[in-house]
Amino acid sequence: KAGVTQTPRYLIKTRGQQVTLSCSPISGHRSVSWYQQTPGQGLQFLFEYFSETQRNKGNFPGRFSGRQFSNSRSEMNVSTLELGDSALYLCASSERGLDEQYFGPGTRLTVT
Amino acid sequence: SQQGEEDPQALSIQEGENATMNCSYKTSINNLQWYRQNSGRGLVHLILIRSNEREKHSGRLRVTLDTSKKSSSLLITASRAADTASYFCATDATAAGNKLTFGGGTRVLVKP
Repeated sequence: KAGVTQTPRYLIKTRGQQVTLSCSPISGHRSVSWYQQTPGQGLQFLFEYFSETQRNKGNFPGRFSGRQFSNSRSEMNVSTLELGDSALYLCASSERGLDEQYFGPGTRLTVT
Repeated sequence: SQQGEEDPQALSIQEGENATMNCSYKTSINNLQWYRQNSGRGLVHLILIRSNEREKHSGRLRVTLDTSKKSSSLLITASRAADTASYFCATDATAAGNKLTFGGGTRVLVKP
């Protein structure tokens, strides 16, 4: 099976812009989770989707949003970008939820 | 926060030696997982241990879980240069909702 793919791999945006990141899970996986990784805060949970429904959300402002499509592909959107949003954004998929998540390579977002 | 705390933050060993890292957490868990990350890339799932298990093995990896002390350890035996990576523990706790909470990680350097 193909692994989790994330596009784009690298992105440079300017403060105030918005960005959309995409994640394609492993075929058959219905759960997709998103994480933000920064040197200062480490790995932080953003949200998790299962069968197009958001099941849980982390402690991030409303500028961070996501969705999942019927084919399990997921997107996350960050509006009104701030410098502090610069991070590696990781997507992970699994069959049901929290057991053994498969991570994609990440999207490195730089906000200038 | 129920984030796991990992110790040590960094570890440097010679090839062939064993590497041990520890993870402590704050609340009762359903399971604890260990992941490896190479050079800011996506994470790779190593092993999952459930709250009713005390020890698990996978190849050169040995994980222990002590729920009375709320701690876990990961032992890598006969380390190789390819084991150079950051290692993270992640906890699944009912009190934390439907998400994984990651520790800060241990950076392991295996010198040839």
